Amino acid sequence: SQTIHQWPATLVQPVGSPLSLECTVEGTSNPNLYWYRQAAGRGLQLLFYSVGIGQISSEVPQNLSASRPQDRQFILSSKKLLLSDSGFYLCAWSRGDRNEQFFGPGTRLTVL
Amino acid sequence: KNQVEQSPQSLIILEGKNCTLQCNYTVSPFSNLRWYKQDTGRGPVSLTIMTFSENTKSNGRYTATLDADTKQSSLHITASQLSDSASYICVVSARSNDYKLSFGAGTTVTVRA
Repeated sequence: SQTIHQWPATLVQPVGSPLSLECTVEGTSNPNLYWYRQAAGRGLQLLFYSVGIGQISSEVPQNLSASRPQDRQFILSSKKLLLSDSGFYLCAWSRGDRNEQFFGPGTRLTVL
Repeated sequence: KNQVEQSPQSLIILEGKNCTLQCNYTVSPFSNLRWYKQDTGRGPVSLTIMTFSENTKSNGRYTATLDADTKQSSLHITASQLSDSASYICVVSARSNDYKLSFGAGTTVTVRA
């Protein structure tokens, strides 16, 4: 069976500090991978998606970047965090030929 | 612009009672619609999925309906339990781009004993 992991589960960072959130998927190969941000009272916002190693598509201009160094690893980064980067970050995966997405447990990021 | 609107924003029900959540969408061309359950601080988990030709789908005490003509869906929870307390999210996929899903803001359900 497939599983998706995210870490850390929670993170408190000062403004201006760097960020690295990691997501890994087990039990499948060549998945499509996604990073979402969820703000309170709002729908999930797609930040990045990737259909393969080194292939990253950005959905919204922002202070964040994503990388996919390995087939089942997806990383969300920032060089300098802003207060507005606070939120709940979700990683998801899907099979290449289907659009059902499976979500990870999420990371709660608080920027102070 | 593809949009998904959910109502109510939140609701409180007593354990054992039923409730119905609504979802209206403008996503086109329509591919499928899913209802997800998201416990507080956790990732969403899929409850049901319906394509254009399906108008009802059940998963235990959860029953989803779809009217593709009016672009409306509902999620009915029967005999609610305390564990049903969660946010329920309507997610619609457009046939033109399977990577991008349109998410509703969710309905927060609180079940009280």
